[in-house]
Amino acid sequence: AQKVTQAQTEISVVEKEDVTLDCVYETRDTTYYLFWYKQPPSGELVFLIRRNSFDEQNEISGRYSWNFQKSTSSFNFTITASQVVDSAVYFCALSEAQRAGSYQLTFGKGTKLSVIP
Amino acid sequence: DSGVTQTPKHLITATGQRVTLRCSPRSGDLSVYWYQQSLDQGLQFLIQYYNGEERAKGNILERFSAQQFPDLHSELNLSSLELGDSALYFCASSEGGITDTQYFGPGTRLTVL
Repeated sequence: AQKVTQAQTEISVVEKEDVTLDCVYETRDTTYYLFWYKQPPSGELVFLIRRNSFDEQNEISGRYSWNFQKSTSSFNFTITASQVVDSAVYFCALSEAQRAGSYQLTFGKGTKLSVIP
Repeated sequence: DSGVTQTPKHLITATGQRVTLRCSPRSGDLSVYWYQQSLDQGLQFLIQYYNGEERAKGNILERFSAQQFPDLHSELNLSSLELGDSALYFCASSEGGITDTQYFGPGTRLTVL
């Protein structure tokens, strides 16, 4: 069965510091997708990135970057020069084909990031 | 704004009651997923519909049911409510394939007193 582990429950950083959120996953499928979602204090879930299992290229989007390593089953998320607006709970999630047409997400427990001004 | 709408935003009810949560997917999306977010269980998949048909079930209680209508909106029905059903219920939609991202609605916060 698939599983996503976010070992860091809470992280606090001072504004402008870099921070890395860890995500480790387990799956028996060769085809799967990994996601990061952000849940700000307002409560909605905001999509950040999707990565498929065949693409191990790192990705950078502004201050956000993602490091996908199949060898260690990890999909880590780094925020550079953190800002107060980055304060949120961040979820890593895994999607695999349970059966054709069924791609529900398995979420980690989330990491609560607090950026202190 | 994800394009997914959920109503109501908040719902307060008593134990034993029945409620209906509504979700309208993004335009063009055929698949609707329901998730429950609670403090002890985290975010858990409940059920998925694709173009009106049930596609997958997760950790959904027998007291809960859902359906997707011809216009693709979906409803999640929760009955015989218990205190432990208090949670944030999310609906997500996607086009339906494994390559597709699920976009989430704002959620319905259910409080059972």
